Amino acid sequence: DTEVTQTPKHLVMGMTNKKSLKCEQHMGHRAMYWYKQKAKKPPELMFVYSYEKLSINESVPSRFSPECPNSSLLNLHLHALQPEDSALYLCASSSAGGGSPLHFGNGTRLTVT
Amino acid sequence: GEDVEQSLFLSVREGDSSVINCTYTDSSSTYLYWYKQEPGAGLQLLTYIFSNMDMKQDQRLTVLLNKKDKHLSLRIADTQTGDSAIYFCAATYNNAGNMLTFGGGTRLMVKP
Repeated sequence: DTEVTQTPKHLVMGMTNKKSLKCEQHMGHRAMYWYKQKAKKPPELMFVYSYEKLSINESVPSRFSPECPNSSLLNLHLHALQPEDSALYLCASSSAGGGSPLHFGNGTRLTVT
Repeated sequence: GEDVEQSLFLSVREGDSSVINCTYTDSSSTYLYWYKQEPGAGLQLLTYIFSNMDMKQDQRLTVLLNKKDKHLSLRIADTQTGDSAIYFCAATYNNAGNMLTFGGGTRLMVKP
């Protein structure tokens, strides 16, 4: 069982919908991450939060909006997505120190219709 | 930037050893990781090695690091059908905090 919990497991949304992905960890980690993974590809970094502040945005389109309400929670708000945004969205967390391994959740499988 | 390469596919028989290889380009890579991904699941951290180590063993898993050749390998002893998955090598380096550069993944198929 993973110690990073993501909800929902699956999400189908239309291009005009607004939805949110949620991630929670209780390992005391102060760094949290969003990754996007397309089929048969490695994960691609989207955002990094360190001590609840956005530290890295990998040039992600504004239709993806991250939020870190507290040290245990990470959200990804979705609006006006495109079919090519369909993917597995993975949340991860780590200690803030350099080299600390990332622990991943099981992801949310997103389908945009 | 860092580039991490892996072979695409490996097939072994149950009970044999599996060796999954990875090469990286940035000699300042400080931590190297192996993750396992089963179908429909997230990435499971298997093991990791610091760049000042040559080898790390953890039960059936052995990681070997050749810094001169920038080559990392993961050996799985007594491979089981439950080991069938995609294995990702990843590297991070000093000036990138915990940002990972992933290889493309190696699909391991274990035949009974």
